[in-house]
Amino acid sequence: GAGVSQSPSNKVTEKGKDVELRCDPISGHTALYWYRQSLGQGLEFLIYFQGNSAPDKSGLPSDRFSAERTGGSVSTLTIQRTQQEDSAVYLCASSLGSASGANVLTFGAGSRLTVL
Amino acid sequence: AQKITQTQPGMFVQEKEAVTLDCTYDTSDPSYGLFWYKQPSSGEMIFLIYQGSYDQQNATEGRYSLNFQKARKSANLVISASQLGDSAMYFCAVFYQGAQKLVFGQGTRLTINP
Repeated sequence: GAGVSQSPSNKVTEKGKDVELRCDPISGHTALYWYRQSLGQGLEFLIYFQGNSAPDKSGLPSDRFSAERTGGSVSTLTIQRTQQEDSAVYLCASSLGSASGANVLTFGAGSRLTVL
Repeated sequence: AQKITQTQPGMFVQEKEAVTLDCTYDTSDPSYGLFWYKQPSSGEMIFLIYQGSYDQQNATEGRYSLNFQKARKSANLVISASQLGDSAMYFCAVFYQGAQKLVFGQGTRLTINP
């Protein structure tokens, strides 16, 4: 596609429920990142996929968070047993390769998660 | 450590004035990249400018320039002739080649007054 597509754009859920957030990167982009942005805060790194390499999961805040990327394209971020502190905007970004001046990260519009 | 510091949580500037947004970073990597992104109230992340750690010249993109001081680990963004549409959050970010990770600062909220 022309840009990074994320769905849903908004998700309201009850505490304890599981949620799935989807990211469809730009076609041909091998690198894919997930970030979390709480209200008025910076972007917190969650996970990074690069081609067929094992993902860098070092930013996932707990074992309730997981992500996968199927076929090197679409990625799904899953949050199990959601808590109120999980409420945030989840941003996905992709790039052709390692980030550089030639490989700038392109961000999606984000998925706003609200846990009641 | 991979820490990006933006010391100015908020800035107010008169239209048409130049503004400098501060950014310092920690790194022991010899190779890294520096990015600035703009996030307007709509929430989208807009790429502004990039500087590689080995680049000798400071990067410029239109009204944006990056004041890169490698020894000080500083990468300040300069916006010349500010416009009302420049009002937004601005994020500094560093791509660490070793960790293959793009780390963001906490951001600076810039408000341009008419």
